[in-house]
Amino acid sequence: GAVVSQHPSRVICKSGTSVKIECRSLDFQATTMFWYRQFPKQSLMLMATSNEGSKATYEQGVEKDKFLINHASLTLSTLTVTSAHPEDSSFYICSARGDRANYEQYFGPGTRLTVT
Amino acid sequence: AQKITQTQPGMFVQEKEAVTLDCTYDTSDPSYGLFWYKQPSSGEMIFLIYQGSYDQQNATEGRYSLNFQKARKSANLVISASQLGDSAMYFCAMREGRGNFNKFYFGSGTKLNVKP
Repeated sequence: GAVVSQHPSRVICKSGTSVKIECRSLDFQATTMFWYRQFPKQSLMLMATSNEGSKATYEQGVEKDKFLINHASLTLSTLTVTSAHPEDSSFYICSARGDRANYEQYFGPGTRLTVT
Repeated sequence: AQKITQTQPGMFVQEKEAVTLDCTYDTSDPSYGLFWYKQPSSGEMIFLIYQGSYDQQNATEGRYSLNFQKARKSANLVISASQLGDSAMYFCAMREGRGNFNKFYFGSGTKLNVKP
């Protein structure tokens, strides 16, 4: 099956700094990638949809200036958490949509962000 | 209204027994897809099974089958012959819409514990 990687898998940063998370589709081209956030023991919450070469579409309530998304190529999307605060600590998961007819999403392994 | 509802926060099943995880959905889109994902403690989302809204037969993938009842808008996951490795969170998801405009909605999840 299709493989999606995320880097880093874990990151600890200080409050006020910015953190970049990379999401790569390793063996297929992904015109659309998605970024999710998951709090402990909760479901995945869609943050934004990222289309290659265009601006990301953010879900209601998600701050565009805080969560910067760039999808510069068909295999790479990045999420930058700017001026991170402890409440931004969470598990961030990206996914890439495959080209199968069911529009399946292939998920990355996730990034655990801890802001101290 | 919730797009995806999973009413079982936690389930226990004896090893080698079958278990059914419930999922109901809400959509007015005639074209949609239903997915089940497994999330072990490592956090990765593992695709299990897919059912398209126009599929006439219930989907099956090895020990996984999807009991699709369109009129009732339910898409229950049946795991036969449970194994200890099946212990994980299980998420039901719905893909609504087509092409670049489709979105995934996730349920709140069911934590399955398989007892030896």
